[in-house]
Amino acid sequence: DQQVKQNSPSLSVQEGRISILNCDYTNSMFDYFLWYKKYPAEGPTFLISISSIKDKNEDGRFTVFLNKSAKHLSLHIVPSQPGDSAVYFCAASERSYIPTFGRGTSLIVHP
Amino acid sequence: DAGVTQSPTHLIKTRGQQVTLRCSPKSGHDTVSWYQQALGQGPQFIFQYYEEEERQRGNFPDRFSGHQFPNYSSELNVNALLLGDSALYLCASSLYRANTGELFFGEGSRLTVL
Repeated sequence: DQQVKQNSPSLSVQEGRISILNCDYTNSMFDYFLWYKKYPAEGPTFLISISSIKDKNEDGRFTVFLNKSAKHLSLHIVPSQPGDSAVYFCAASERSYIPTFGRGTSLIVHP
Repeated sequence: DAGVTQSPTHLIKTRGQQVTLRCSPKSGHDTVSWYQQALGQGPQFIFQYYEEEERQRGNFPDRFSGHQFPNYSSELNVNALLLGDSALYLCASSLYRANTGELFFGEGSRLTVL
């Protein structure tokens, strides 16, 4: 039973446009949410996070939105760049801080 | 500032054998977590070590065991290898008191079981 779901295995976007990656979770005890980015042959790297007390967190071109009532979060990348092409993992944790990861969404940004 | 380092990067074993993977955490970190990432899946939590003790464990059989040394480095051991153990094994380090879930990952050890 997946507690963190990324239902889109892949997403293709044109350079300069917005990329929106979605994530749903089922465990209402999750109170901290993270996005990681993974390039081939590298480990995942932390990108951005949001606490359940907020509904938006912004860091440069990256913004994460949290809708607690819908148990849904999304990552917006504006504008998208070819270097953003990677696999993006959504993760969620309770106060135990062991994050549970989704299966990932492969983002391809075309020049 | 050295990041998380893992060894070996690739290895091939046969069914029934045993394997040991190694990890050195990021400088200043005291906690090591191990994840298994099968093809097409997200990282799955195996266990976490802090102060040389296993603190939390995911849904993995006892064939998976680990150790943390006084210098915070860690080993993951898998006994009686199965074909299904073929995966990328990721080590992640963190600061125990940070309590945020933010992890720093190594590049992983890719294990192939034949």
